[in-house]
Amino acid sequence: QKEVEQDPGPLSVPEGAIVSLNCTYSNSAFQYFMWYRQYSRKGPELLMYTYSSGNKEDGRFTAQVDKSSKYISLFIRDSQPSDSATYLCAMSAPGTYKYIFGTGTRLKVLA
Amino acid sequence: GAGVSQSPRYKVTKRGQDVALRCDPISGHVSLYWYRQALGQGPEFLTYFNYEAQQDKSGLPNDRFSAERPEGSISTLTIQRTEQRDSAMYRCASSVQGQTGELFFGEGSRLTVL
Repeated sequence: QKEVEQDPGPLSVPEGAIVSLNCTYSNSAFQYFMWYRQYSRKGPELLMYTYSSGNKEDGRFTAQVDKSSKYISLFIRDSQPSDSATYLCAMSAPGTYKYIFGTGTRLKVLA
Repeated sequence: GAGVSQSPRYKVTKRGQDVALRCDPISGHVSLYWYRQALGQGPEFLTYFNYEAQQDKSGLPNDRFSAERPEGSISTLTIQRTEQRDSAMYRCASSVQGQTGELFFGEGSRLTVL
């Protein structure tokens, strides 16, 4: 079993839809959680960063962490065709400096 | 430049040759990471530097892989006696300080071993 599990998709939604992307993990020591967006042939770019549990909102993006369920989510409101990309979750435990990434979910927002 | 710079962007080599991949992090970034990313997969951790000290090399697949960052800035990932299974995108990332979360990735070096 991988430490971080993420559905690879692809996930296709119509423009304007609310998108929910998720990751589960097995290591209860993880405290730092991130979401990256990766366009084709580009490097990952950080979207959201959350420490421990709770919600964080930035524009159309909301990140949620549920440590009791070992489950994190990224919500995208009013999705746009420009949101079409692969979304990667990443997480880390204190003191390790090693970020473990999910496999990424491919998202297609249809105009 | 403002971002993480990697070179070469593309490298094609024959099996058995050595290759060196270079990473120039964002100026002032203390932490430097090397990751490997296969097609359709997330980045896989290889090694981590804090300044010039290699603090974690647990992700290096075997002793053909090595990395250095002698002056705490530019880093080189070296793969000796390359094998076809080494073909992948190698990505460098840097951050102001490890564990703050904001890893900035470079465009990567695509290695193809024939």
